[in-house]
Amino acid sequence: QQQVKQSPQSLIVQKGGISIINCAYENTAFDYFPWYQQFPGKGPALLIAIRPDVSEKKEGRFTISFNKSAKQFSLHIMDSQPGDSATYFCASNRRGNEKLTFGTGTRLTIIP
Amino acid sequence: NAGVTQTPKFQVLKTGQSMTLQCAQDMNHNSMYWYRQDPGMGLRLIYYSASEGTTDKGEVPNGYNVSRLNKREFSLRLESAAPSQTSVYFCASWGGRGKETQYFGPGTRLLVL
Repeated sequence: QQQVKQSPQSLIVQKGGISIINCAYENTAFDYFPWYQQFPGKGPALLIAIRPDVSEKKEGRFTISFNKSAKQFSLHIMDSQPGDSATYFCASNRRGNEKLTFGTGTRLTIIP
Repeated sequence: NAGVTQTPKFQVLKTGQSMTLQCAQDMNHNSMYWYRQDPGMGLRLIYYSASEGTTDKGEVPNGYNVSRLNKREFSLRLESAAPSQTSVYFCASWGGRGKETQYFGPGTRLLVL
C-alpha cells in the first residue's frame, strides 16, 4: 500500500499566525497533490491542488509548496483565522488513476 | 445541483443487524467511492466503482458489499454489523477530465452497539 504520511496530527496556531502542515509520499509516479478541508459534520472539500511542474501554488492565504526531490509537499495558511479551524487532508495520485491516497489528517485549531 | 447526497445521516445498529447506506450524485460522474473515516486513520477506501456495473475492492472491504445501481447511485451494505464498523461513512464521486477532484457527500455516522 503506497502511503502518504501527514504531520502533525494536530496543530494549534494563534490568530494571525502561519499554519504549516506537511506530507510525504512514496510513489514517484504520483503527479497530483490536492489538499482537502473538512469542517465538523461535513464531508471533505477540495481546498487547493498542485501538479509537480511547479514548486509553489498560491490561492489567497493558502499556499502549497512542493519539493519533488524530497517527495514532500506542504500546506501553508497565512494570517490564520478562527474560521480556518478544520481538519486538513493531503492526498495524491497518478494522472489517469481516479483513486486518491489520503494522509491521516491534521486537526487545526486557530485560537484568538 | 445537490451534488452528492447520502442517507441516512445517522444510524444506530445492534451487532448482527444489517443496513444499506444510500448515495446518489447528480453531476453525471462515472466514478464513485465509499470511504470510512476513523480518528487518526484518515479516509480509507472501502469500495470503488469506475462505472455502472463495475465495482472494485479498496483498502478495507471486509464486511461490506456494494451495488452500483445506475450511474447516479452507489449503495453500501453491511450484512452483519460489528462494533468495529462504527465509523463515519462518506460517499464521493470523481469529477473527471478538467475537474480532477473528488466530491464528497455529507457523511453517515454509524454506531454499532
